[in-house]
Amino acid sequence: DAGVTQSPTHLIKTRGQQVTLRCSPKSGHDTVSWYQQALGQGPQFIFQYYEEEERQRGNFPDRFSGHQFPNYSSELNVNALLLGDSALYLCASSSNLADTQYFGPGTRLTVL
Amino acid sequence: DAKTTQPPSMDCAEGRAANLPCNHSTISGNEYVYWYRQIHSQGPQYIIHGLKNNETNEMASLIITEDRKSSTLILPHATLRDTAVYYCIVRGSHTGGFKTIFGAGTRLFVKA
Repeated sequence: DAGVTQSPTHLIKTRGQQVTLRCSPKSGHDTVSWYQQALGQGPQFIFQYYEEEERQRGNFPDRFSGHQFPNYSSELNVNALLLGDSALYLCASSSNLADTQYFGPGTRLTVL
Repeated sequence: DAKTTQPPSMDCAEGRAANLPCNHSTISGNEYVYWYRQIHSQGPQYIIHGLKNNETNEMASLIITEDRKSSTLILPHATLRDTAVYYCIVRGSHTGGFKTIFGAGTRLFVKA
């Protein structure tokens, strides 16, 4: 039984570019949440998707957007990248909005 | 804002019990206490969670005070592989979705 998977594992972009990160939830899970973790800090909640809709959002600008597909997989898009967007981006899935979240290995984004 | 307070770091001798405290004095009635750990920039690993009763699984025990304002995660026989950052989180419903707010966590060092 595959756990949460994320792609790519590492990514290097330059300022002003756009990036798309991908997440496949654990089998049987229908809810996906995204987090940003800067070096030395705890993960920060970006948003949560359920039934292909954004259900909850953290304190992130509109440059951060997402999508959930009918197969429950999800994408995180970040536009107009800033140096401060460099971080580990984590995806977590759960069997519903309320249930325990399980995290993927993350995507390390470096913005130069 | 983080709703939990944890000591920034703790030491534990290998083979001894590690007791990690967490204060969550503003916890609401429908909020659960969750514990995760993160080893060297991997995705956070779920450990255990509870509402008001003490819980035990194969990894750890969770002791929640009767007033639910604090809890303790117990690793009964710590090993070197338990060296990690441990996050205590309170999690509940917020207008249609669930936010998970991480604090800075406790960095546990298990020493031989």
